[in-house]
Amino acid sequence: GESVGLHLPTLSVQEGDNSIINCAYSNSASDYFIWYKQESGKGPQFIIDIRSNMDKRQGQRVTVLLNKTVKHLSLQIAATQPGDSAVYFCAVYSGAGSYQLTFGKGTKLSVIP
Amino acid sequence: NAGVMQNPRHLVRRRGQEARLRCSPMKGHSHVYWYRQLPEEGLKFMVYLQKENIIDESGMPKERFSAEFPKEGPSILRIQQVVRGDSAAYFCASGGGTGELFFGEGSRLTVL
Repeated sequence: GESVGLHLPTLSVQEGDNSIINCAYSNSASDYFIWYKQESGKGPQFIIDIRSNMDKRQGQRVTVLLNKTVKHLSLQIAATQPGDSAVYFCAVYSGAGSYQLTFGKGTKLSVIP
Repeated sequence: NAGVMQNPRHLVRRRGQEARLRCSPMKGHSHVYWYRQLPEEGLKFMVYLQKENIIDESGMPKERFSAEFPKEGPSILRIQQVVRGDSAAYFCASGGGTGELFFGEGSRLTVL
């Protein structure tokens, strides 16, 4: 099976600084990775995804990095804003044909104004 | 994710009662997934359905829980004879088969 873990349960950053949230996964056959943002009382919101044939993907103010060698991915948020405060989850599909998305426990990001 | 509609948003039940949670997927999506989230935890897969078919229910408790996605109407997650441990947020997600999932706002079940 797949297990997904995050390095830090909480992260506090100053407004305007960059944030980096890390995630590790266990299954080397994992091929599709998604970052979700969850605000209090709401459902997970898709942020960015990456497939295993890539090692970097950029969106608006966000970048996901994938290191398959050490089974690690990270989410970088540039110029963090108060609206970025939320819990961030990485989620992983484990191989071809898999449709079970395995979630990590989440990192709670707090932005200090 | 605004397109996935779940109701009720909040549900309170006493032990032994039944809970029914409904989910309408995004327009054009035929894949529905149910996940459960306990406080301070990530989401745990429960079941994956397509219209009139349960594809994978490996995450569902063996007893008291059932799910359906009829040809017409929303997907239903049904919990019979609820116990306090069933208190959680239940999220529905829909997808078009490419892997990207869109989640609803969840149904928060409280068992007294």
